[in-house]
Amino acid sequence: QVQLVESGGGVVQPGRSLRLSCAGSGFTFSSYAMHWVRQAPGKGLEWVAVISYDGGHKYYADSVKGRISISRDNSNNTLFLQMNSLRAEDTAVYYCARERRELLPHDAFDVWGQGTMVTVSS
Amino acid sequence: DIQMTQSPSSLSASVGDRVTISCRASESIAAYLNWYQKKPGKAPKLLIYAASSLQSGVPSRFSGSGSGTDFTLTISSLQPEDFATYYCQQSYSTLRTFGQGTKLEIK
Repeated sequence: QVQLVESGGGVVQPGRSLRLSCAGSGFTFSSYAMHWVRQAPGKGLEWVAVISYDGGHKYYADSVKGRISISRDNSNNTLFLQMNSLRAEDTAVYYCARERRELLPHDAFDVWGQGTMVTVSS
Repeated sequence: DIQMTQSPSSLSASVGDRVTISCRASESIAAYLNWYQKKPGKAPKLLIYAASSLQSGVPSRFSGSGSGTDFTLTISSLQPEDFATYYCQQSYSTLRTFGQGTKLEIK
């Protein structure tokens, strides 16, 4: 079945780095734009970043620009989120999500991972 | 960035009630508006895409309408499993944004 599985979360000190992974299966991973979305404890959903199906285009929310980098390895059906200079306010559950239609932008997110928790604390 | 504002922020209702949640965009987004349901400890679930299209597998008691800047999500007859938080999201801009959420609670 179509599935996304995140990994890589954990507890990290402020200023340190962490890389999240999201493994896709059950669909042609290389045909879909992919996103990261996060939810801080007690807060709403916040869109973080997007990468085009081929990795050629990447965009970020202002809150993470310059500190976070999205990438993908289509040969291994894996999406990544490299997070540097982490702050307490980056503490959240991080979800990867697939854009609904192949090769077409501006669509909803129809498949989501289960989420991975990142806690930034000394 | 396009700002999305939902109302109300919370809502109490009973099983069988008809419920409407509103979402307003800070500029026109045509019909690039999606609705999600979020329950604690679970991933968000897509309910409605392109303002009014029902995602496969979603019960027909959910419906969406609107275009431009004003949108609504309607649940025609609340079921126990519908008590959750609902988010709108615009997909007009590459920089996607969500509304702040509407928490639907049992009265």
